[in-house]
Amino acid sequence: GQNIDQPTEMTATEGAIVQINCTYQTSGFNGLFWYQQHAGEAPTFLSYNVLDGLEEKGRFSSFLSRSKGYSYLLLKELQMKDSASYLCAVKDSNYQLIWGAGTKLIIKP
Amino acid sequence: GAVVSQHPSRVICKSGTSVKIECRSLDFQATTMFWYRQFPKQSLMLMATSNEGSKATYEQGVEKDKFLINHASLTLSTLTVTSAHPEDSSFYICSARDQLPSGYNEQFFGPGTRLTVL
Repeated sequence: GQNIDQPTEMTATEGAIVQINCTYQTSGFNGLFWYQQHAGEAPTFLSYNVLDGLEEKGRFSSFLSRSKGYSYLLLKELQMKDSASYLCAVKDSNYQLIWGAGTKLIIKP
Repeated sequence: GAVVSQHPSRVICKSGTSVKIECRSLDFQATTMFWYRQFPKQSLMLMATSNEGSKATYEQGVEKDKFLINHASLTLSTLTVTSAHPEDSSFYICSARDQLPSGYNEQFFGPGTRLTVL
């Protein structure tokens, strides 16, 4: 079956750095997405990786290793507004998005 | 970026009634729209994929006669929850896929509809 694993919850301090990991086992791979979702709101797109390596976008970076079935989302200079759930999703061979359960990130002052 | 709207944002209805939720892509044409359901503290669950002008493809376990999907135009898809029951209470989110120049199809999400069935 298809499976995406990410930690259920993480806590970090304002101003610090946090890394959210995602491992996946899917039938085929056509890209990996990270989305941010605040409580009661729809997800918003953060990043997309299809080749190995690091994609940097401001305070957020996303890394992919296809051989390891692994990705991480790195958030720098954490702000209180970064408190949210972070969803990892993989596009499989049918171009369908397979979603992880999400990681709830709690930022403390 | 591309904008997707959903209406209504919140709806409360009595058990046994039907509820229609609209999803519109405002500034692009969406050949494919997706309907998701999300229960509290759980991840998104894809219910169905709809392509403009054709029948929706439902995920396993989703009753097509209960969750009616119509994708009549390139900018509008509707989800009708028929004979709603309290267990249908959930957060329903639609997304629309646009063909971007870079070649990957990113899904743009609507703001979601909170359905409460009494």
